[in-house]
Amino acid sequence: NAGVMQNPRHLVRRRGQEARLRCSPMKGHSHVYWYRQLPEEGLKFMVYLQKENIIDESGMPKERFSAEFPKEGPSILRIQQVVRGDSAAYFCASSPVEGTDTQYFGPGTRLTVL
Amino acid sequence: GESVGLHLPTLSVQEGDNSIINCAYSNSASDYFIWYKQESGKGPQFIIDIRSNMDKRQGQRVTVLLNKTVKHLSLQIAATQPGDSAVYFCAEFSGGYNKLIFGAGTRLAVHP
Repeated sequence: NAGVMQNPRHLVRRRGQEARLRCSPMKGHSHVYWYRQLPEEGLKFMVYLQKENIIDESGMPKERFSAEFPKEGPSILRIQQVVRGDSAAYFCASSPVEGTDTQYFGPGTRLTVL
Repeated sequence: GESVGLHLPTLSVQEGDNSIINCAYSNSASDYFIWYKQESGKGPQFIIDIRSNMDKRQGQRVTVLLNKTVKHLSLQIAATQPGDSAVYFCAEFSGGYNKLIFGAGTRLAVHP
């Protein structure tokens, strides 16, 4: 049973470009969560999605960031017009149901903005 | 509460010793807690969890203790091995089961 998959593992962008991060949850999981981690810090919640629905986006910056989890295909975290402060590791987690299940994390995408 | 700070505290232990990693949480309403292990360049890996109706839970070589009175969690690792070297985070569910709040993290360094 494959775990949570994220790609790319490393992404380099210049200021002003767009970054697209992909997450495929574990088989049978319909809940996806995105977190951001700065060096030497814990993960910070960004957004929680179910298929075709954003459930909680309280941790998402108000501008430039968006997320989706379409009926078919992976979840996408999109960052428009990236700035150096967006450089971080972005982790996706998934769970089969909400409420009682542990979130299982992917390997992360390390975004570097030049 | 929210993790803060740029420098992780480090716990150094000798191989074979027991390790105790501590964590304080801020939300007295939190009722589900998880310990994660994060190795360099990897995502957090689930170790063990505990619900607020328990004060102790044991896994393979690991034990989690929960003290709700002082809002404190600890992770005990028995017979620590070099492969245990990593950063350890406690996490709590806040505002429902859709948002994990991570603690600051502790780096465990195991020396032969």
